[in-house]
Amino acid sequence: GQNIDQPTEMTATEGAIVQINCTYQTSGFNGLFWYQQHAGEAPTFLSYNVLDGLEEKGRFSSFLSRSKGYSYLLLKELQMKDSASYLCAVLDSNYQLIWGAGTKLIIKP
Amino acid sequence: ETGVTQTPRHLVMGMTNKKSLKCEQHLGHNAMYWYKQSAKKPLELMFVYNFKEQTENNSVPSRFSPECPNSSHLFLHLHTLQPEDSALYLCASSQGGQGTDTQYFGPGTRLTVL
Repeated sequence: GQNIDQPTEMTATEGAIVQINCTYQTSGFNGLFWYQQHAGEAPTFLSYNVLDGLEEKGRFSSFLSRSKGYSYLLLKELQMKDSASYLCAVLDSNYQLIWGAGTKLIIKP
Repeated sequence: ETGVTQTPRHLVMGMTNKKSLKCEQHLGHNAMYWYKQSAKKPLELMFVYNFKEQTENNSVPSRFSPECPNSSHLFLHLHTLQPEDSALYLCASSQGGQGTDTQYFGPGTRLTVL
């Protein structure tokens, strides 16, 4: 079966760095998405990786290793507003999005 | 961000009621989606419409009935629901039906079935 694994919850301190991991086992791979979802709000797009390597976008970076079935989202200079759930989703060989259950990130002052 | 709107935001209904969820996108997209989001579970894709044609129905019970009158509007008609149907129902849209297209989500309807 197809599976996306990410930690259920993480805690970090304001101003610090946190890395949220996502591992996947899917039938084929056509890219990996990260979305951010604040409580009670819509998921919003953060990044899309289809090639190996690190892509940086301001304070957020996303890394992909296709051979390892692994990605991470790196958040730097954490702010209180970064408290949210972070969703990992993989496009399989049929271009179907397979979603992880999300990682709830709690930022403490 | 008001690209995708959903109404109502909250809905409480009994198992014998009939209600409808509405989604509207103002992004000029051609594909629209319904998802179910339950606590601590992955998003479940329910239905996909591409250019008003239903292209995906992921074995959703018939008590959920979608309708897509045009590329901007999507409805989810509900009847004789079960308590386990209580969840957040998210609507999304994308430029086309290509999987690589970024999906833009609405804020969701929080549904409680009593």
